[in-house]
Amino acid sequence: GNSVTQMEGPVTLSEEAFLTINCTYTATGYPSLFWYVQYPGEGLQLLLKATKADDKGSNKGFEATYRKETTSFHLEKGSVQVSDSAVYFCALSDGEAAGNKLTFGGGTRVLVKP
Amino acid sequence: DTGVSQDPRHKITKRGQNVTFRCDPISEHNRLYWYRQTLGQGPEFLTYFQNEAQLEKSRLLSDRFSAERPKGSFSTLEIQRTEQGDSAMYLCASSSGLRGTDTQYFGPGTRLTVL
Repeated sequence: GNSVTQMEGPVTLSEEAFLTINCTYTATGYPSLFWYVQYPGEGLQLLLKATKADDKGSNKGFEATYRKETTSFHLEKGSVQVSDSAVYFCALSDGEAAGNKLTFGGGTRVLVKP
Repeated sequence: DTGVSQDPRHKITKRGQNVTFRCDPISEHNRLYWYRQTLGQGPEFLTYFQNEAQLEKSRLLSDRFSAERPKGSFSTLEIQRTEQGDSAMYLCASSSGLRGTDTQYFGPGTRLTVL
């Protein structure tokens, strides 16, 4: 079955530091890949997505590239802010025929200190 | 577009009681999904609807769980004879269901605590 593995946290950074959260997946076919973010006390929000190999998703300074050869979708941001403190989830969609159900990784908590 | 809403936001119940949660999807979204998230884990798929039809249920969904989506609008998730292991955040998401559009939008969740 499908699975998503992401690095465990917490990840603690200073403001303006570079952030990378690793995500690898196992899936049949060609899933779409997503990063969702959960800020304290809030629901899951879509951060970015990529639907095919070599696509780059980007939003709010975050980027992730769909790497089919390494089955990865690592999230990066060049300069984090305190407001980026949240839990980040990598996820894949199992495709239209299967209902586009999402499989999530375990989440990575990021804490940015001023 | 008011987003996905869920009610209640929090529910505390005693073991053995029945609980029901409601989800209102984004209007005109054909697909509605339920997920469960336990502390420190990612959400896990429970079930989903295409309009009023329930198309798939996860093995996680025991016989004590039932979900409905009458008229293809809001959905309810009922848990009968709750157990302490049912304590979790129950998340609802919706998507347009249009071919090529697979983004799901999540509600704030209902946090269930079973004492």
